[in-house]
Amino acid sequence: QSALTQPPSASGSPGQSVTIACAGTSSDVGRYNYVSWYQQHPGKAPKLLIYEVSQRPSGVPDRFSGSKSGNTASLTVSGLQADDEGDYYCSSYAGSSNFAVFGGGTKLTVL
Amino acid sequence: QPQLQESGPGLVKPSETLSLTCTVSGGSISSSNYYWGWIRQPPGKGLEWIGNIYYSGSSFYNPSLEGRVTISVDTSKNQFSLRVSSVTAADTALYYCARWDYASENYYSFDSWGQGTLVTVSS
Repeated sequence: QSALTQPPSASGSPGQSVTIACAGTSSDVGRYNYVSWYQQHPGKAPKLLIYEVSQRPSGVPDRFSGSKSGNTASLTVSGLQADDEGDYYCSSYAGSSNFAVFGGGTKLTVL
Repeated sequence: QPQLQESGPGLVKPSETLSLTCTVSGGSISSSNYYWGWIRQPPGKGLEWIGNIYYSGSSFYNPSLEGRVTISVDTSKNQFSLRVSSVTAADTALYYCARWDYASENYYSFDSWGQGTLVTVSS
């Protein structure tokens, strides 16, 4: 069982927006502003999309945005495109004994 | 961004030790801004953090794996390595090495990943 809880699937039509939630606890998501999100296409390594809850690395489109409220973080993908299909994982720092706890992943389908 | 490449046996027998090496190119493993980590992904499943190491040798492990896992670093070769002892079929997974940004731009996240290497535990 994963430490963070994500819905197993999400979907939307091209151009629409979809939000993926990531539920943690007061020991991880709720305690630290170090939530990150990763995108993984089939057969590929994960790619960093969001760090520090809402910051985008260089090169990531602003269609991807992150937020946090209490023990739950969220990733919103706006203006859905076909290439956005894939698996999305959230992760949170949980102290020096647990650098990264991951969610179970959400499979995003663009209808 | 640096390039990371995992290497090691793709098949390990139960009860034996899994050993993998990650070679970093295009950047120094001795940078004070980063840790270097291992993450695994069982077939069809999610990601699991295994552990991180700093260039000084300071290491941190997933509590669920501690006791079986050792991560070491060789700064002269720009490499870090993973050892998992007493493996079972549950250790079958795609193993990734990655860079953990500690004090640069992408704070507290894995910002560069290797392509991954599949390790199967089977007799």
